[in-house]
Amino acid sequence: NAGVTQTPKFQVLKTGQSMTLQCAQDMNHEYMSWYRQDPGMGLRLIHYSVGAGITDQGEVPNGYNVSRSTTEDFPLRLLSAAPSQTSVYFCASSHRGRDQPQHFGDGTRLSIL
Amino acid sequence: ILNVEQSPQSLHVQEGDSTNFTCSFPSSNFYALHWYRWETAKSPEALFVMTLNGDEKKKGRISATLNTKEGYSYLYIKGSQPEDSATYLCASLKGAGSYQLTFGKGTKLSVIP
Repeated sequence: NAGVTQTPKFQVLKTGQSMTLQCAQDMNHEYMSWYRQDPGMGLRLIHYSVGAGITDQGEVPNGYNVSRSTTEDFPLRLLSAAPSQTSVYFCASSHRGRDQPQHFGDGTRLSIL
Repeated sequence: ILNVEQSPQSLHVQEGDSTNFTCSFPSSNFYALHWYRWETAKSPEALFVMTLNGDEKKKGRISATLNTKEGYSYLYIKGSQPEDSATYLCASLKGAGSYQLTFGKGTKLSVIP
């Protein structure tokens, strides 16, 4: 079982570059989300989606863009990378419902120089 | 944005000791409370999702309780083992129809053999 797959695992960018972090799940989950993990900050929600074609902003959406054209995929785009976006990014998915746990990918470690 | 607090921030216990830690969350508009276990270099894994006041959940030596009226949850580990060493995260889901999980910063547990 693949679960939630994130690519790449590591990436180094220069300030101003753009890139897309990929997230795919094979569990037919309706809900998908992106978090960033910074030291001393806990996991913070960037964007989320409750189904194909539906996305919404989380706590820290600025500088990021998402789309959800299929149930399986939820890419996160950095429009113009900044050093403040250096972080570890986690994608998660779940079925809809208040009692459904999140399934996390292995994370993408991103450094912006 | 919810304010989810976890205490203590970290603790060290001897192998065989039992321990517990706390998650505090706003009691208004409560919908669900999640607990995750996060080992170093891995991704968070779900332990429990609790939705009802008075809920108690158990998985092996780990158990959790929920008090939605006063806004807290306890996680208990009985007879700690070195493999229990991890960061334990709680997250609160607020309001019906909301899919935004707000995470605490976690409690880092180190079990000394």
